[in-house]
Amino acid sequence: NAGVMQNPRHLVRRRGQEARLRCSPMKGHSHVYWYRQLPEEGLKFMVYLQKENIIDESGMPKERFSAEFPKEGPSILRIQQVVRGDSAAYFCASSPRPGTEAFFGQGTRLTVV
Amino acid sequence: AQTVTQSQPEMSVQEAETVTLSCTYDTSESDYYLFWYKQPPSRQMILVIRQEAYKQQNATENRFSVNFQKAAKSFSLKISDSQLGDAAMYFCAYSLPGNTPLVFGKGTRLSVIA
Repeated sequence: NAGVMQNPRHLVRRRGQEARLRCSPMKGHSHVYWYRQLPEEGLKFMVYLQKENIIDESGMPKERFSAEFPKEGPSILRIQQVVRGDSAAYFCASSPRPGTEAFFGQGTRLTVV
Repeated sequence: AQTVTQSQPEMSVQEAETVTLSCTYDTSESDYYLFWYKQPPSRQMILVIRQEAYKQQNATENRFSVNFQKAAKSFSLKISDSQLGDAAMYFCAYSLPGNTPLVFGKGTRLSVIA
């Protein structure tokens, strides 16, 4: 059973470009969470999705950020018009049921130049 | 809102010795989960140990054990017989049952000295 797969591992974007981060949850997991980690900080919750539904997006910036988890395919975190402050590691986690332990991917390190 | 506090930004331990990492949390709920995650330089977040609040018995996983003090809202991690591979960032985390995400502390960087 493959773990949570995130790609790309590293992503470099110029200011103003779009960044798309992908996350394939573990097989059988329908709950996906996105977190952001700034250097020397803990992970901060961004958004929680279940297949085709956004359950909780209270941690997501109101502008430029969006997330989806379609019926088929990976979950996508999209950042439009990136700025230097978006540079961070973005982690995806999945769980089989809400409230149980989440299994994490290896993260995508976004660098905005 | 729930918060998780790790008061030790850095800790070090001699190889084969024991170290305890501290974590406190703030919640008004009675049913919740607590976790310790390890993040080595590879950045992979690895679940170390998990505790359900309704269980009085402290969780144990091989060399890792917790001291869960529900009344004090304290959840410390003890690593026995420390190994070089234990060097990593350790994050304490909290979640409620149901549709709620994990809330993380800021982490403790553990160094293991040979």
